[in-house]
Amino acid sequence: GENVEQHPSTLSVQEGDSAVIKCTYSDSASNYFPWYKQELGKRPQLIIDIRSNVGEKKDQRIAVTLNKTAKHFSLHITETQPEDSAVYFCAASRYGNEKLTFGTGTRLTIIP
Amino acid sequence: DTGVSQDPRHKITKRGQNVTFRCDPISEHNRLYWYRQTLGQGPEFLTYFQNEAQLEKSRLLSDRFSAERPKGSFSTLEIQRTEQGDSAMYLCASSLRQGLDGYTFGSGTRLTVV
Repeated sequence: GENVEQHPSTLSVQEGDSAVIKCTYSDSASNYFPWYKQELGKRPQLIIDIRSNVGEKKDQRIAVTLNKTAKHFSLHITETQPEDSAVYFCAASRYGNEKLTFGTGTRLTIIP
Repeated sequence: DTGVSQDPRHKITKRGQNVTFRCDPISEHNRLYWYRQTLGQGPEFLTYFQNEAQLEKSRLLSDRFSAERPKGSFSTLEIQRTEQGDSAMYLCASSLRQGLDGYTFGSGTRLTVV
């Protein structure tokens, strides 16, 4: 089955700096890669996703890049703000296999 | 219908008791998923339904666990003879089109087995 590894497990950055979280996956057939943000005590919320037919996707301060050859994808947050502090999870799945396999999460702390 | 609803939010039960959780997905979503999340970990897949059909079950779902979605709308997850290792957050999610839409998660049911 699919295995998703996520690094780093914790990340602290100064407010205004950029943050990068990286994930690798094992199933070369995976073609859908969402990222979720989970604030303390709250539900995971989808913040951005990418499909394997594109290499990069941006939404305001958030971007995701995908390298299919290397089987890794990354989340980039620019101009970080205190409200970006949360746990971020990457995930992967492939069409025809309904389940998402999640990474172990990255706790991002923005230092004011 | 503003999102995925789960009930109860918290459940404390004694070891050996049975518990049942309910999930109401977004009404037009035909796919419903159950995940389990323990502290410091990502959600782990348990099972999913397309309409009323249960199409996949994880090996994590022992014979003490059963899930139903009788009319293709709400779903229930029952755990029989609970064990302390069952303590976790049980998350329900729904989606409309796999691989094209992300999941919408509910707020979860936090189970504590004492």
